[in-house]
Amino acid sequence: DIQMTQSPSTLSASVGDRVTITCRASQSISSWLAWYQQKPGKAPKLLIYKSSSLESGVPSRFSGSGSGTEFTLTISSLQPDDFATYYCQQYTSLWTFGQGTKVEIK
Amino acid sequence: QVQLQESGPGLVKPSQTLSLTCAVSGGSISSGGYSWNWIRQAPGKELEWIGYIYYSGRTTYYNPSLKSRIIISMDTSKNRLSLKLSSVTAADTAVYNCASSPLLGDYSSYFDNWGQGTLVTVSS
Repeated sequence: DIQMTQSPSTLSASVGDRVTITCRASQSISSWLAWYQQKPGKAPKLLIYKSSSLESGVPSRFSGSGSGTEFTLTISSLQPDDFATYYCQQYTSLWTFGQGTKVEIK
Repeated sequence: QVQLQESGPGLVKPSQTLSLTCAVSGGSISSGGYSWNWIRQAPGKELEWIGYIYYSGRTTYYNPSLKSRIIISMDTSKNRLSLKLSSVTAADTAVYNCASSPLLGDYSSYFDNWGQGTLVTVSS
């Protein structure tokens, strides 16, 4: 199985901060990577697919980049609604997720 | 916008079969181009893909680690899919989600619509 490792596990930030989350794959996954946002008690919400394609309706402050084994999710200016847990997911070989990064208020 | 809603017993005894359904609204599960997936998250653990069924209902694909215990099916007349997981243990305690995925070739890709999830506890 392809293992997905996110860093950091927890991130403390303030409104307006630029936030970057990293996701590393145990082997190359080309650009077959998605990012999700999840809030407590809610379903995950798709943000980004194919590494950098923004899902319809997702604010443009979210962006994704990377290919091969290293990927990043960037929030250009953190908003109050963005405090949540973020997951990456590869879809090259089976479908596996990272362990999540919790973005909390500093 | 497609909406999904899981339902089923919240408590299952060890060795029994877990049965869940996922009602889909806002779109047909038999319309082309999509797979219908089950994903779970045990407390404190990562999201785990369980399996999917093709929009035609003719193809299923299961996580090899669970394959011997899973059946995923669909009822097009009721626009819903189902999950059966047999011989459950405490390790199967999790929030179970259904999710749709645009097909990439013949396989699922990313998951664009999710149900809210339902907690299933395995305990005697």
